[in-house]
Amino acid sequence: DTEVTQTPKHLVMGMTNKKSLKCEQHMGHRAMYWYKQKAKKPPELMFVYSYEKLSINESVPSRFSPECPNSSLLNLHLHALQPEDSALYLCASSQEVRAGNEKLFFGSGTQLSVL
Amino acid sequence: GQNIDQPTEMTATEGAIVQINCTYQTSGFNGLFWYQQHAGEAPTFLSYNVLDGLEEKGRFSSFLSRSKGYSYLLLKELQMKDSASYLCAFYRDAGNMLTFGGGTRLMVKP
Repeated sequence: DTEVTQTPKHLVMGMTNKKSLKCEQHMGHRAMYWYKQKAKKPPELMFVYSYEKLSINESVPSRFSPECPNSSLLNLHLHALQPEDSALYLCASSQEVRAGNEKLFFGSGTQLSVL
Repeated sequence: GQNIDQPTEMTATEGAIVQINCTYQTSGFNGLFWYQQHAGEAPTFLSYNVLDGLEEKGRFSSFLSRSKGYSYLLLKELQMKDSASYLCAFYRDAGNMLTFGGGTRLMVKP
C-alpha cells in the first residue's frame, strides 16, 4: 500500500464553523506533513510531524491546529477560518525526517472553500 | 538566500521533446526533486538527482549541475497525458522542509 488517503475530498465551511481534515497512511512512515496550495501556485509547507511530535510549524495561524493521534494518522482542525484560507490542503508522508533527501508521498488533497 | 526559478508555462506538440529548466540557490544542498502534478491531483514523485549528470527513467530524464545551480527535466515522445504542472524542489537548509519552485505548466497540443 503506497497510498496517502485524505478525507474529505471537498469541504465547504462558513467562517464560524469547526471542521477537521483527516489523513492516513499505512506505509510505516514516521514523518507526516501538511501543505497548503492555492490555485496555480506551488504547495507551501505548514506543519511537519516526526515520530508523532510536531517538529515544524511554518508560522501558521492558530486557526489551524494539527494533531497526530498515532503514526498512521494526521488531522488538521479548522476553526474560524477566513475566505483567503480557501485552498487545496495536501497531506504527505515520508519514511523519516532526516538528511533532506526523503521522497514525499502526497494524498489527493482536500479542496476547501471558506464562505 | 534560497529560491527556485522555473518558467511559468510551456507549450509543446504531441510526440515532441520538451526541456523544463530549474535554477536554484541554497546554502545547504541535498539534491533536487522533480514532481508532476495534474490539475486538482496530488503531486507525484518523478526523479531525484544528488550528483551531477543525467538520470534517465523511461521517457523522462533529469539533469543536475551543482556548480551552476541548474537542473532540467527532459520529456520525450510527449503524450497528451503529460499536460500537467512540473515542480522542482529541494530541502531548505538541508533539513526537512521540502520547498517547491513555482511550477511549470506544460500544455501538450495535438
